[in-house]
Amino acid sequence: SAVISQKPSRDICQRGTSLTIQCQVDSQVTMMFWYRQQPGQSLTLIATANQGSEATYESGFVIDKFPISRPNLTFSTLTVSNMSPEDSSIYLCSGGLRGGELFFGEGSRLTVL
Amino acid sequence: GQQLNQSPQSMFIQEGEDVSMNCTSSSIFNTWLWYKQDPGEGPVLLIALYKAGELTSNGRLTAQFGITRKDSFLNISASIPSDVGIYFCAGQKTSYDKVIFGPGTSLSVIP
Repeated sequence: SAVISQKPSRDICQRGTSLTIQCQVDSQVTMMFWYRQQPGQSLTLIATANQGSEATYESGFVIDKFPISRPNLTFSTLTVSNMSPEDSSIYLCSGGLRGGELFFGEGSRLTVL
Repeated sequence: GQQLNQSPQSMFIQEGEDVSMNCTSSSIFNTWLWYKQDPGEGPVLLIALYKAGELTSNGRLTAQFGITRKDSFLNISASIPSDVGIYFCAGQKTSYDKVIFGPGTSLSVIP
């Protein structure tokens, strides 16, 4: 198993600003993903964080809005850029080794005013 | 795009009852997974299924990988209050592919 730590755990942000969320895994994982979970909803995949290269984004998510870095096997960041109230959500980092057996952080709860 | 459907959307049961929920897809998945999410937490993996027809248990939980590879079932026996939460099914096409989540089933257990 792996323990995933995210920070910040929550933040209140002003419209138009950007926020970077950090994700640290306590052991090397093959895959890292970023998900968004809007209130009362399921998890929507934003992108696959690729070590040392550009992330792979899902339909509806673009690099300019959600730049992602993954400099090594245990660390990744997600930036939510030029935020609007519609970006208020929980952002979850996950990592995994085999198949779909993912481990999740507790999430970062963003509120945009 | 790929989509998973879960039913029921929500359940209210008495403590001690058994629970069944299912997940279907129009696409074939080679891995089916069941996660549980408690309020304020990230999802936690309950059971992973890798083979069509596979039946796997984890304590009071039992899950099955459908023969068609397009569905999966989760059963919880003798429910207890701590079973309350949202149960998500998830699917993966290949071992290094993205993991897609269903909309979830919300379970409430009445003591």
